[in-house]
Amino acid sequence: GAVVSQHPSWVICKSGTSVKIECRSLDFQATTMFWYRQFPKQSLMLMATSNEGSKATYEQGVEKDKFLINHASLTLSTLTVTSAHPEDSSFYICSAPNWRGGTGELFFGEGSRLTVL
Amino acid sequence: LAKTTQPISMDSYEGQEVNITCSHNNIATNDYITWYQQFPSQGPRFIIQGYKTKVTNEVASLFIPADRKSSTLSLPRVSLSDTAVYYCLVGFSGSARQLTFGSGTQLTVLP
Repeated sequence: GAVVSQHPSWVICKSGTSVKIECRSLDFQATTMFWYRQFPKQSLMLMATSNEGSKATYEQGVEKDKFLINHASLTLSTLTVTSAHPEDSSFYICSAPNWRGGTGELFFGEGSRLTVL
Repeated sequence: LAKTTQPISMDSYEGQEVNITCSHNNIATNDYITWYQQFPSQGPRFIIQGYKTKVTNEVASLFIPADRKSSTLSLPRVSLSDTAVYYCLVGFSGSARQLTFGSGTQLTVLP
């Protein structure tokens, strides 16, 4: 099946620094990718939709300048957490849909655990 | 966007069949129903997808009534390794729709 890979799987950074997380679709092209964050014992919360060749679409309440998204190619989307603070510590997950015959399956990355000290 | 409602948690014993029901009253005509499994600190993993009636694969069955306002994921003979959170999502009508995750169901399989 299709594979979506995230990197890094975990990262620890100091408060005030920026962290970039990559999401790659390894064997299919994805014009759209989704970014989620998940706090402990909670469900996935959609943060934004990454669109290849155009601006990302952010969900209400998500700061665009805080979470920069770039969909540079049909297989790569990046999420940059700028000026990270401890409250940004979370599990970030990306996903990409793979369409087949009108229906789609959403493939998820392994997730990236961000800890801001 | 179709909203889903699932039980927060369920307990079962090894070897039993587990049925998890999801309500999605405002499902759209072209929406499919997809179930995902998530282990701690991992991304969700696809289990099964269906549109109507019954779908079966090597790991689960999905039952969808005629009105499609609910669906039931059936896991035959669960094992300890099936302990996870299970999410049902509704969407994907051929366009890149955003999917909203509900609360999911924490399934705990006991020995």
